[in-house]
Amino acid sequence: DIQVTQSPSTLSASVGDRVTITCRASQSISSWLAWYQQKPGKPPKLLIYRASSLESGVPSRFSGSGSGTEFTLAISSLQPDDFATYYCQQYSSSTPKFGQGTKVEIK
Amino acid sequence: EVQLVESGGGLVQPGGSLRLSCAASGFTFNSFWMTWVRQAPGKGLEWVASLKHDESEKYYVDSVKGRFTISRDNDKNSLFLQMDSLTVEDTAVYYCAKGGYTYAPDSWGQGTLVTVSS
Repeated sequence: DIQVTQSPSTLSASVGDRVTITCRASQSISSWLAWYQQKPGKPPKLLIYRASSLESGVPSRFSGSGSGTEFTLAISSLQPDDFATYYCQQYSSSTPKFGQGTKVEIK
Repeated sequence: EVQLVESGGGLVQPGGSLRLSCAASGFTFNSFWMTWVRQAPGKGLEWVASLKHDESEKYYVDSVKGRFTISRDNDKNSLFLQMDSLTVEDTAVYYCAKGGYTYAPDSWGQGTLVTVSS
C-alpha cells in the first residue's frame, strides 16, 4: 500500500499569514493527490485534485503543488473561515490513503 | 446539484450487522466510482471501500476485508455497505462519496453514525 505522511499535525497561525502543509507519499503517485478541508461535524470538502487543480468554487488563495512523492498545500492569506483540519489523500492506487490531518488553529 | 444522503446507522452490539445505504442524485450515478470513508470519533479520515460503476472492481481496506461488502443498485441510484461481525473499532461516522480510483471524491454525504457497543 502507498502511505502518505502529512506534516505538521498542528499549525498555529494568524489571519493574513501564508501557511503551507506538506504531504509525502511512500512511493511515486505522479499527481494523484487531493487536498480536503474539514470543519467539525461536517463532511470533508475537496479543495485541490490532481495535486494542483483547484476545485470549482474554491477561493484562489488555496493552491497545490508537487508531483511524485512531495506535495504542498498553500494558503496565501489565511482567512477566519480557513481555520479547520486539512487532509491529503493519494488516489493513485486501488486502496487510497489519507494523511493524518493538519489542524490549523488561531494563534 | 449533487446530493448524497446516507442512512442505516445506529447502535449495534459487537458481532452484529448493519447495512448502510446512500441515495444519490444530481449526477449520472452509473458512470462513477463510489466510495465509503469513515471517521472514528476525534480521529482522521479512513478510506473503507470503493466500487466501480459496473461493479467489476471493488476494493477494501484490510481491516474490513471479509466482513464488509460494498454494492450498488444503478437502477435506484443507490450505494450500500453491508457490515457484518462488527467490532468496537468500527464505531465511526460513515460517509458516502462520489469518486474513487483515479478520481478524487468530490462530493460527500453528511454521514451516518455507527456505534458498536454492548
